[in-house]
Amino acid sequence: QVQLVQSGGEVKKPGASVKVSCKASGYTFTTYGISWVRQAPGQGLEWMGWIDPYNANTHYAQNFQGRVTMTTDTSTSTAYMELRSLRSDDTAVYFCARASGSLGFNYWGQGTLVTVSS
Amino acid sequence: QSALTQPASVSGSPGQSITISCTGTSSDVGSYNHVSWYQQYPGKAPKVMIYEVNKRPSGVSNRFSGSKSGNTASLTISGLQAEDEADYYCCSFAGSSTSVFGGGTKLTVL
Repeated sequence: QVQLVQSGGEVKKPGASVKVSCKASGYTFTTYGISWVRQAPGQGLEWMGWIDPYNANTHYAQNFQGRVTMTTDTSTSTAYMELRSLRSDDTAVYFCARASGSLGFNYWGQGTLVTVSS
Repeated sequence: QSALTQPASVSGSPGQSITISCTGTSSDVGSYNHVSWYQQYPGKAPKVMIYEVNKRPSGVSNRFSGSKSGNTASLTISGLQAEDEADYYCCSFAGSSTSVFGGGTKLTVL
């Protein structure tokens, strides 16, 4: 069965960087894209960007351009999302999701809480 | 990329039907049929309920249906049940391999 398993929660200071991982299993990793979506406490979902593991092409939301980098390691079927220059309003749960084109995001990771606090 | 507009909350009694709207622009909802809807319980990951405007994934109740007219997509839940109480989010393709979510709607089953 398809599974996306994310790394554990992180606590970071303002200005630092965080790198969250998302290990996929149960399907051919290079067949589907991986999107990253975040959710601040009590807030809605925010699409951050998307990476195609087949060719490493990336597409980022304007809000995160220049501050986020998405990568994949096809040898371990793992996607990564690095966010730099963290601010307190980056405190959120970060989800990875399998991007299945018109099928939407049909599989999600469990979420990773990133807390930014001095 | 502005968030799609959803009502903050809707409510209904068991057995009734409710509709949640999702308004975008001609650059997203109005231009593509890649509109999906997600159900989210507190502390859980979202679950896709509708994709391609009106298609249901296997296992999703046929009480859930979707539609679109112009720049507005809609999710209708018929025969409301207590278990439907959750947050609902729409999402649309927005061109150039980007997507945008709605602000979310809290459904209360009275």
